[in-house]
Amino acid sequence: KAGVTQTPRYLIKTRGQQVTLSCSPISGHRSVSWYQQTPGQGLQFLFEYFSETQRNKGNFPGRFSGRQFSNSRSEMNVSTLELGDSALYLCASSLEFAGGPDTQYFGPGTRLTVL
Amino acid sequence: GQNIDQPTEMTATEGAIVQINCTYQTSGFNGLFWYQQHAGEAPTFLSYNVLDGLEEKGRFSSFLSRSKGYSYLLLKELQMKDSASYLCATGGNTGKLIFGQGTTLQVKP
Repeated sequence: KAGVTQTPRYLIKTRGQQVTLSCSPISGHRSVSWYQQTPGQGLQFLFEYFSETQRNKGNFPGRFSGRQFSNSRSEMNVSTLELGDSALYLCASSLEFAGGPDTQYFGPGTRLTVL
Repeated sequence: GQNIDQPTEMTATEGAIVQINCTYQTSGFNGLFWYQQHAGEAPTFLSYNVLDGLEEKGRFSSFLSRSKGYSYLLLKELQMKDSASYLCATGGNTGKLIFGQGTTLQVKP
């Protein structure tokens, strides 16, 4: 099975711009989660989607948004970029079963640099 | 609230054994994960514990004590390629993992 894929892998933007990142989960996985990773804060949860619905949301401002499509692919959008948004954005997918957490499998990430 | 603590850095010698500890305080605890992350790469799944006790998987083992809010990852027969960050994370009932800051392990010859 192909793993989680993310595009683009690298992105350079300037302050005030917006950006859209894409994630394709492992085939058959229905849950997609997004994380931001920075040297100072580590891995922080952004949001999670399941069946096209946002099921969980982390403590990030409204500039961060996402969505999931019927084929489980997901996108996240960051508007009005700030320098502090420079980070590695990781997407993870899981199979999802009732009664407990699933192992999440991570994509290679998108390295966003805001100048 | 949710809080996960692990040491920031550790150093060990090739061929040795190292234990990376993780303590947690979370609401709705439903399992503990360990991930390995090499520099510049994505985290990869190592282990998952939901019941107390030791889970062994080759050179890696993971232990959980729910009553103490404590877990450890044990790496045996260390190899240079084991130099990486090791992330402890707790999971709830849905797709949300709370990660610790990670422990950077340096394996020296």
